[in-house]
Amino acid sequence: KAGVTQTPRYLIKTRGQQVTLSCSPISGHRSVSWYQQTPGQGLQFLFEYFSETQRNKGNFPGRFSGRQFSNSRSEMNVSTLELGDSALYLCASSPPGVRNEKLFFGSGTQLSVL
Amino acid sequence: GENVEQHPSTLSVQEGDSAVIKCTYSDSASNYFPWYKQELGKGPQLIIDIRSNVGEKKDQRIAVTLNKTAKHFSLHITETQPEDSAVYFCAATLGNQFYFGTGTSLTVIP
Repeated sequence: KAGVTQTPRYLIKTRGQQVTLSCSPISGHRSVSWYQQTPGQGLQFLFEYFSETQRNKGNFPGRFSGRQFSNSRSEMNVSTLELGDSALYLCASSPPGVRNEKLFFGSGTQLSVL
Repeated sequence: GENVEQHPSTLSVQEGDSAVIKCTYSDSASNYFPWYKQELGKGPQLIIDIRSNVGEKKDQRIAVTLNKTAKHFSLHITETQPEDSAVYFCAATLGNQFYFGTGTSLTVIP
């Protein structure tokens, strides 16, 4: 079974631009979560989608948004990029079940904002 | 929300020695505590987990202990090997949300 796939692997943008990151979950997984990873801050939860609906949201500004498609693939968008948005963005999918416990992470998209 | 603290931030051990990483959490309603290992250039991978109704769990060279009263849990790696070198993250779940510690960079010196 293929793992979680994130594209692109690396991105370089300038302040004020916007960016879209893509995530394809493991086949059969319907829940997709996004995390921001920065040195010293660990993994910060952005949002979670299940069956095309946002189920949970972290404490990030409205510039960060996401969506999920009917095939469970997800995208996240960051508008009006700031230098502080430079980070590794990780996507994780979870298998169906009563408890959303097992997170399977992709390798991430490394975003650099200049 | 939940607050998870993790110590130490860096840890170096000689090959064959044991390594211990400790985490505390703030909300007694948290009920699931996974540990993730992140190797360079890869995403975190689940290595062991424990639920709040269990005090200890072991899987070969790794073990996790949970003290619900004190609200802390620990990862123990015995007989460390160079391939154990990585960043380790603890997490606590509250509802459907995961709260991660800030990570421990473990280096195993051959």
